[in-house]
Amino acid sequence: GESVGLHLPTLSVQEGDNSIINCAYSNSASDYFIWYKQESGKGPQFIIDIRSNMDKRQGQRVTVLLNKTVKHLSLQIAATQPGDSAVYFCAETVLQSGAGSYQLTFGKGTKLSVIP
Amino acid sequence: DTEVTQTPKHLVMGMTNKKSLKCEQHMGHRAMYWYKQKAKKPPELMFVYSYEKLSINESVPSRFSPECPNSSLLNLHLHALQPEDSALYLCASSQGPGKGELFFGEGSRLTVL
Repeated sequence: GESVGLHLPTLSVQEGDNSIINCAYSNSASDYFIWYKQESGKGPQFIIDIRSNMDKRQGQRVTVLLNKTVKHLSLQIAATQPGDSAVYFCAETVLQSGAGSYQLTFGKGTKLSVIP
Repeated sequence: DTEVTQTPKHLVMGMTNKKSLKCEQHMGHRAMYWYKQKAKKPPELMFVYSYEKLSINESVPSRFSPECPNSSLLNLHLHALQPEDSALYLCASSQGPGKGELFFGEGSRLTVL
C-alpha cells in the first residue's frame, strides 16, 4: 500500500522543555520562509515567517532562525506544551518567472509529540 | 473574518461520478490555491489563481478542473477520478501573489472508491 515505508521524522519532548525543529531547504533563490503547524484532521496553521534578509525572528514562544549559507531553517518552541503536539512543516517560496506568482513549497514535516 | 471555508469536509465518490469541492474566503485576498495532501506527506501544490486568473498549474491531470468564479470563491471540479486521488484537498488564500502567508482551510477529505 502507499503507506509502506512512509514515516515522518519525529521529535518527543517533555512538557516544559524547549523544542527545536530543523529544516533544510533546497533553493538558494527562495526569499521567504514560513513555519506551519498541522494538527490531526486540520489544515496547516501559520506560526511564524521570516524573509531572507533576516537571520532571526521571534514570536510568542517561538523563534525562527535562518542560515542562508547552509540553507537551513529552525523553529524553536519555548516551554513546550501538550497543545504544541502536531506536525510542523517549513515552507519556502520560489518566484515562478513569468507567472507573477509565488509557489509555496513544503518540506517533509516533523511530528512533535509532547510528553505530559 | 480570517477564515478559509471548505465544503464538503468529507466526500466519497465513485470513479464515474462528477463532484465539486468548494472554497470561500472573505479576507479580500487576491491569490487562491489548491493543494493535495496524502497521508504523512506535505501538501503539494496543484493550482494557483492570481486575480481570478489561473497562473500556475502543476501538471495536474485534466480530471481535476479548477474554477474561480470571483475573488472570494474557488472550486475544484472532479470527474473520472482514480482511487489514488484519495487525499485531503486543501484550499488556501493569500493577500496577493507573493504577498504574505497562506491561510489554509480545514480541507476536504476525498475518498474515491
